Amino acid sequence: DTEVTQTPKHLVMGMTNKKSLKCEQHMGHRAMYWYKQKAKKPPELMFVYSYEKLSINESVPSRFSPECPNSSLLNLHLHALQPEDSALYLCASSQVGTGLPKETQYFGPGTRLLVL
Amino acid sequence: RKEVEQDPGPFNVPEGATVAFNCTYSNSASQSFFWYRQDCRKEPKLLMSVYSSGNEDGRFTAQLNRASQYISLLIRDSKLSDSATYLCVVRSGGGADGLTFGKGTHLIIQP
Repeated sequence: DTEVTQTPKHLVMGMTNKKSLKCEQHMGHRAMYWYKQKAKKPPELMFVYSYEKLSINESVPSRFSPECPNSSLLNLHLHALQPEDSALYLCASSQVGTGLPKETQYFGPGTRLLVL
Repeated sequence: RKEVEQDPGPFNVPEGATVAFNCTYSNSASQSFFWYRQDCRKEPKLLMSVYSSGNEDGRFTAQLNRASQYISLLIRDSKLSDSATYLCVVRSGGGADGLTFGKGTHLIIQP
């Protein structure tokens, strides 16, 4: 089973709202990722967690706050977003290690976010 | 500087044709290489990993040339269901490291 689940599927929020995106995997993967994808663009890396610790932050604005409460869950807390933050937010997971196929990342279906 | 470059297409090819995609990457330290497929409004899905010696999976063949920093994907006997965007993807480090995506090549298979 290579399933990564994400909730909600769609989210509309105002610029003053606080919301959270959730991601879950039960593949025993110890690396989890957040990507952002704008329309007609490729996914761009936001954050990487390895063994529940934040290992990479790609200079993401502080209005995005990631959290990894345990090895299966990854959250992205949103606060005071801007309309340009509207995008598809993708979660992915992988094993930690070098070489294929360990490094293969599996993506969830994404949360489509609209900021008004 | 673009890290992963692909021809964006679209490639319009008749059903049953063979189609080839190419990709170049700029980071010589890149260690792992993949082709992902993304359907409209869906998540990227792994099509195949690309091994140094080249590899084949059914109608799909991937090749890697580290010296030229070049990756290719060949699709034989194309099907209507192959219509999608094909993303060339590299990963520079080991452990847990993010993926760098090309902009994708849009393929349309025509009946």
